[in-house]
Amino acid sequence: KQEVTQIPAALSVPEGENLVLNCSFTDSAIYNLQWFRQDPGKGLTSLLLIQSSQREQTSGRLNASLDKSSGRSTLYIAASQPGDSATYLCAPPRPYSGAGSYQLTFGKGTKLSVIP
Amino acid sequence: EPEVTQTPSHQVTQMGQEVILRCVPISNHLYFYWYRQILGQKVEFLVSFYNNEISEKSEIFDDQFSVERPDGSNFTLKIRSTKLEDSAMYFCASTRQGSYTEAFFGQGTRLTVV
Repeated sequence: KQEVTQIPAALSVPEGENLVLNCSFTDSAIYNLQWFRQDPGKGLTSLLLIQSSQREQTSGRLNASLDKSSGRSTLYIAASQPGDSATYLCAPPRPYSGAGSYQLTFGKGTKLSVIP
Repeated sequence: EPEVTQTPSHQVTQMGQEVILRCVPISNHLYFYWYRQILGQKVEFLVSFYNNEISEKSEIFDDQFSVERPDGSNFTLKIRSTKLEDSAMYFCASTRQGSYTEAFFGQGTRLTVV
């Protein structure tokens, strides 16, 4: 069973600061890992999908890294903006069961507040 | 950009009533999913669906729940007799393949059982 822990649970930073969100997972037999953003009362927006063959994946000011061997992923946000305020969720899949589907296991998330 | 669409955005129902939540997955995706998020808790997997049948389901997905793809575009979640504890945000998701590929989620349906 996959367990996901995200640290810190909440983070408040001044605008412009670079920050790192951490995710750890228990079962490293994964093909990839996905990061999402969730605004209050809203859906899940996919930010990055990082494959196990990659060390890093970048999208704009976001950079995700994945270290399967240690069961860790980080999401780096450069030059944070107030619009980045949201909850960030890490979601590795449950190790493939052979049933053909792709279950994501979510952490509780890191609630980010960027202060203008 | 293709997106997963869910309707309604908010549904209020009385305990014991049946509800149907609707989703239109991305058109060229083959796998469909339902997840739920009880307020303040983690997003949890409910069920996956491929080739017109359930691939996997969690222990949450009991006999009160069912899924269906009634036509070429819609994917539905039915809760037969709602309970107070079914109150949650329900998310539909789809993937192009069963693994390796990015999962796209809808905006969710907030179900409130009173």
